[in-house]
Amino acid sequence: EVQLVESGGGLVQPGGSLRLSCAASGFTFSRSWMHWVRQAPGKGLVWVSRIKTDGSITTYADSVKGRFTISRDNAKNTLYLQMNSLRVEDTAVYYCAREVGGGSDYWGQGTLVTVSS
Amino acid sequence: QSVLTQPPSASGTPGQRVTISCSGSSSNIGSNTVTWYQQLPGTAPKLLIYSNNQRPSGVPDRFSGSKSGTSASLAISGLQSEDEADYYCTTWDDSLNGYVFGTGTEVTVL
Repeated sequence: EVQLVESGGGLVQPGGSLRLSCAASGFTFSRSWMHWVRQAPGKGLVWVSRIKTDGSITTYADSVKGRFTISRDNAKNTLYLQMNSLRVEDTAVYYCAREVGGGSDYWGQGTLVTVSS
Repeated sequence: QSVLTQPPSASGTPGQRVTISCSGSSSNIGSNTVTWYQQLPGTAPKLLIYSNNQRPSGVPDRFSGSKSGTSASLAISGLQSEDEADYYCTTWDDSLNGYVFGTGTEVTVL
């Protein structure tokens, strides 16, 4: 069974940092592009970042470029999102998702990040 | 501010057909395939349609997708109560060099 389990969310002050993790199981993690997508409370979905199978290609939304870093450890079947210089507007549930041709077929349950003083 | 525009809401009675539009531009829908997700309250999104009109296994054939020019549509035929959810379109944007989501449409079954 495919599973994606996010962790690392929590309350952080503006300007602070947080690292999210996404533990993958039930599929060959090293063969899948992976994404982070976020959703602010009561709002719509927003794509954040994606990473190629071997980590050689990373792409970011303009809103997080230069502040967030996506990475992966294929030996540990884990995806990461390092978030620095956090802003109040980064408050959201963060989902990791596996990409298959044309879409993301498996998503985690999400982890809540709250940026507030 | 999303670059893909969807109507905020849509509704229908059980058995009716509901259509949701997704309007974009030449840099996104006009040159890339469209994906649709369904999000039930309090849950993660679920892949509904990919590559404009393809259904993953397990998705009922009541759901269908289409694309024409810089717009795409999701149709739900034979509307059922369990279809009450938020629906999002998404695609790659060549100008932004990233994915963009639609504004989302809340479907209500009357």
